[in-house]
Amino acid sequence: KQEVTQIPAALSVPEGENLVLNCSFTDSAIYNLQWFRQDPGKGLTSLLLIQSSQREQTSGRLNASLDKSSGRSTLYIAASQPGDSATYLCAAIPYSGAGSYQLTFGKGTKLSVIP
Amino acid sequence: DTAVSQTPKYLVTQMGNDKSIKCEQNLGHDTMYWYKQDSKKFLKIMFSYNNKELIINETVPNRFSPKSPDKAHLNLHINSLELGDSAVYFCASSGQGSDTQYFGPGTRLTVL
Repeated sequence: KQEVTQIPAALSVPEGENLVLNCSFTDSAIYNLQWFRQDPGKGLTSLLLIQSSQREQTSGRLNASLDKSSGRSTLYIAASQPGDSATYLCAAIPYSGAGSYQLTFGKGTKLSVIP
Repeated sequence: DTAVSQTPKYLVTQMGNDKSIKCEQNLGHDTMYWYKQDSKKFLKIMFSYNNKELIINETVPNRFSPKSPDKAHLNLHINSLELGDSAVYFCASSGQGSDTQYFGPGTRLTVL
């Protein structure tokens, strides 16, 4: 059974810093890995999706990497801004053999960027 | 245009009642999902459904049932509500297979 872990649970940084959020998963048999952002009281916004065959994806100040062999993914945020404050969730779609594409989520990292 | 919408946003009800949460997506996606986010903010899959099959997470009580009147809708029906059902429920949809999933804004269910 796939398990996804995110460390740290919370992170506070001053504005302008570069930072890395970590995600690990126990089973490397995945279709893809996705990073989401959740603002308080809101739904999830997809940030980046890395297919199983890819090593990284970039969008603006965000860069996500995937290392299936070690069961790890990182989300790199460059030049952090107060507007980046949110909870960041990592989720993997494991191979289930049943045609299901259900996400398995980590518990998230709550990021606070201090002005 | 809202891609994935849910109604109601808040739902407060008594134990033992039956309630429904509606979900609609206007993205033309084939697959829809229901997730539950508990009080500790942990998100877990409940169901996935496309026009071919329903896949149910084994931990979901049979008091919960998804119903799809058409491809754009997947409603969640809950019978005999219990205190432990209090949570935020999210609907999501995706296109082909393992594509990006798009989430609705969530429905906060409180059972008294």
